[in-house]
Amino acid sequence: EDQVTQSPEALRLQEGESSSLNCSYTVSGLRGLFWYRQDPGKGPEFLFTLYSAGEEKEKERLKATLTKKESFLHITAPKPEDSATYLCAARRGGGADGLTFGKGTHLIIQP
Amino acid sequence: DTEVTQTPKHLVMGMTNKKSLKCEQHMGHRAMYWYKQKAKKPPELMFVYSYEKLSINESVPSRFSPECPNSSLLNLHLHALQPEDSALYLCASSQEQGTSGELFFGEGSRLTVL
Repeated sequence: EDQVTQSPEALRLQEGESSSLNCSYTVSGLRGLFWYRQDPGKGPEFLFTLYSAGEEKEKERLKATLTKKESFLHITAPKPEDSATYLCAARRGGGADGLTFGKGTHLIIQP
Repeated sequence: DTEVTQTPKHLVMGMTNKKSLKCEQHMGHRAMYWYKQKAKKPPELMFVYSYEKLSINESVPSRFSPECPNSSLLNLHLHALQPEDSALYLCASSQEQGTSGELFFGEGSRLTVL
């Protein structure tokens, strides 16, 4: 069974304090590892897609990386507006579709 | 701004009511999805439409009835719901089912069943 596990469940940081969020996955025939940001009461906002081990993508203070078993979302010098729930999701092969989501990391950046 | 538009944003209904949620996208995407999200939980896949045909139904109860009138529209018809069906219902689209492209989500419809 496909599994996507995120850690930690919650993370509180001071403004400017860099850290990383983890997403480990067990998915047969991975066809994409996705990171989304979700604000309370809103739909997930797409951030990154990673397809192969060693791939990295950056956007402002965020950088996502991928290995064969896990992905990291690095947050450098975060600001309060980076506070949100960050969701990791995997898309598998074999003809199935949709995304399997992890439970998310609730990130709070304190001024 | 999201390019997937969902209406209504909020809906309150009784267990005997019939209502519908609507979703629209104009990105030319050929796959559309319904997800259900309970508080502090990840989104859970309900249905997938590909080229206006239902391709995945994740064992969703029949009180939820999806419809895809054309490539831009997706509806979710609701009838005889239970209070535990209260949740945020998310619509999403992607270029094509079976590719590796990302899903784009709407803002969701917050449903409360009394």
